[in-house]
Formats: sequence, C-alpha cells, structure tokens
Amino acid sequence: DQQVKQNSPSLSVQEGRISILNCDYTNSMFDYFLWYKKYPAEGPTFLISISSIKDKNEDGRFTVFLNKSAKHLSLHIVPSQPGDSAVYFCAASGLGGYQKVTFGTGTKLQVIP
Amino acid sequence: DGGITQSPKYLFRKEGQNVTLSCEQNLNHDAMYWYRQDPGQGLRLIYYSQIVNDFQKGDIAEGYSVSREKKESFPLTVTSAQKNPTAFYLCASRGPSNYGYTFGSGTRLTVV
Repeated sequence: DQQVKQNSPSLSVQEGRISILNCDYTNSMFDYFLWYKKYPAEGPTFLISISSIKDKNEDGRFTVFLNKSAKHLSLHIVPSQPGDSAVYFCAASGLGGYQKVTFGTGTKLQVIP
Repeated sequence: DGGITQSPKYLFRKEGQNVTLSCEQNLNHDAMYWYRQDPGQGLRLIYYSQIVNDFQKGDIAEGYSVSREKKESFPLTVTSAQKNPTAFYLCASRGPSNYGYTFGSGTRLTVV
C-alpha cells in the first residue's frame, strides 16, 4: 500500500522555466511533509518542508504547496537550473516524537540547458 | 562537522554470506533508520531504532538484522535469508526537534 505517491517518474524542463513536481498521499494522519533531493550514489538531502497548518512554504527558488482536502502537495522550482537535475522524493510523517517518514517513489528531474 | 558516516561505500557479497553495513552518527540523535532504495520503488524502511537497545521492524525487515548497543551506531546485517539483497542502502538519523532525516551517503551492495 503506497501511502505517498509520485505518479510521474520523470520530468524534463528547459533551463529558466518552472519545474512542478507533484505528490499525493492517502494517510490522513500525516501532518508534516518534506521534499528531498538525491543525486546518484549519494544520500538524499533535505530541501523544504511544510506542516499541515500551512498551505504554502517558500525558500528561495523552491516553494511547496499543500492542499489538505485533496491530499496533494507540489514542489515548484523557479527558475530551474541544470544543477537541479536530480531525483526528488516527496515524504510524509506524523508530528512529534520520532515517527518514521514514509517516502514516495521519486521523480527524476532533468533540466535542459 | 556533525553527520552520518556509512561504510563501506561499495560492498560485494557472495551468495550465502552475511555482510554487515556500518552506520555511525555524531549528531547526538536518538533515532536511527535503515532504508533500501531500488529502482522505481523509492525508499523502503527496513528497521528503525528510537533509543539505545531497542529497535523495530520496518516494512521489509525479512532477511535483515540490526543492533543498537550505542547511541552513535546502528549496524545492519544482510543475512543469507535476504533473497534479493542487491540494492543501495541508506542510513538516517533524526533528532527530537528535527522532523526530517539526516542521511548518510549510502552503501551499494552487490551480490556476486
């Protein structure tokens, strides 16, 4: 049972344009959502997060939007740069304690110069 | 610099052998986790530990074992019972005020 779903395995975008990565979840107990970026043969690095009490969080070129009623979140990257080419994982967790984080299957983003 | 160290980076195992992957952290985090990455399947949780001398099975624990004798260390043993051990293994840790994980750089295990 895939509780966090990333339905697009890959995405290609021109440099300078917007990249939009989507994520859906099924578990209504999730209260905290994260995006991680991963290069080949490396561990994922934290990118941006959002709690369920917000619908938007922005950090530089990265913005995450959360639609709780639709159980959907998205990551916007503007403008996209070639160095953004990586696999992006959406993840979700409950709040508090050391609750485990559930990851999606990832979306491979390619930014074309 | 605080972080998580996984070793070795590459590991080759013969069929029928047990191998142990090392994970050490100096972040003073209580919780530690092992994930496995396979193409098209994202990150799947193998085992996790929230405190020393205690650990729980994740979603795919069969064929794996762990120990947590020290706060800093959470080694993972891939036993001969694991039917398809070739994968990229990631260790992570989490502190009380950090809802996200800090990951190590991973170990690529290949069965030969």
